[in-house]
Amino acid sequence: AQSVTQPDIHITVSEGASLELRCNYSYGATPYLFWYVQSPGQGLQLLLKYFSGDTLVQGIKGFEAEFKRSQSSFNLRKPSVHWSDAAEYFCAVGSTSGTYKYIFGTGTRLKVLA
Amino acid sequence: DAGVIQSPRHEVTEMGQEVTLRCKPISGHNSLFWYRQTMMRGLELLIYFNNNVPIDDSGMPEDRFSAKMPNASFSTLKIQPSEPRDSAVYFCASSVAGTGELFFGEGSRLTVL
Repeated sequence: AQSVTQPDIHITVSEGASLELRCNYSYGATPYLFWYVQSPGQGLQLLLKYFSGDTLVQGIKGFEAEFKRSQSSFNLRKPSVHWSDAAEYFCAVGSTSGTYKYIFGTGTRLKVLA
Repeated sequence: DAGVIQSPRHEVTEMGQEVTLRCKPISGHNSLFWYRQTMMRGLELLIYFNNNVPIDDSGMPEDRFSAKMPNASFSTLKIQPSEPRDSAVYFCASSVAGTGELFFGEGSRLTVL
């Protein structure tokens, strides 16, 4: 069965520090992989996605993620965090079989210290 | 461009009452998803439609929940009768099938007393 694990429930970083949010997935083949961000009281917004090709993908707001097949991981990174990045981040996996079913991880809440 | 529109944004009701949540997807999108978000269970897929047809409703908790999509521009999620454990934020999202990007509405926060 498909599953997504985000091992860190909360992460706190100082503004200007680098960030890495972890995501591991379980899937029988190469899935579609996504990172979404949710600000308080808002819906989710897509940061970036991986379908195939280059394993390092660039997204909006200066985020990037790297797909590592051998580790079944798709970690999100940002070299320098801004206070406005404080939000909840969700990793998701989508089926490539045509059913277009998306499964989300439990989320990582990011706090940024000034 | 208008995004996914959900109504109501907030609903407070008493146990046993019927609740109807509404969603207008982005024009041209042919997939629609209903998710429920709670602190305990995170973001759960309830049901999704492709071209107005329900494809997978395995996430619908029980018979008290039903969803319809009578046309490409409107969907409803109904809970009857409602229970306190149904309290959650319900999100609607739409997509062009196969593109991989879900566009979420701002959610409907339901409180059942």
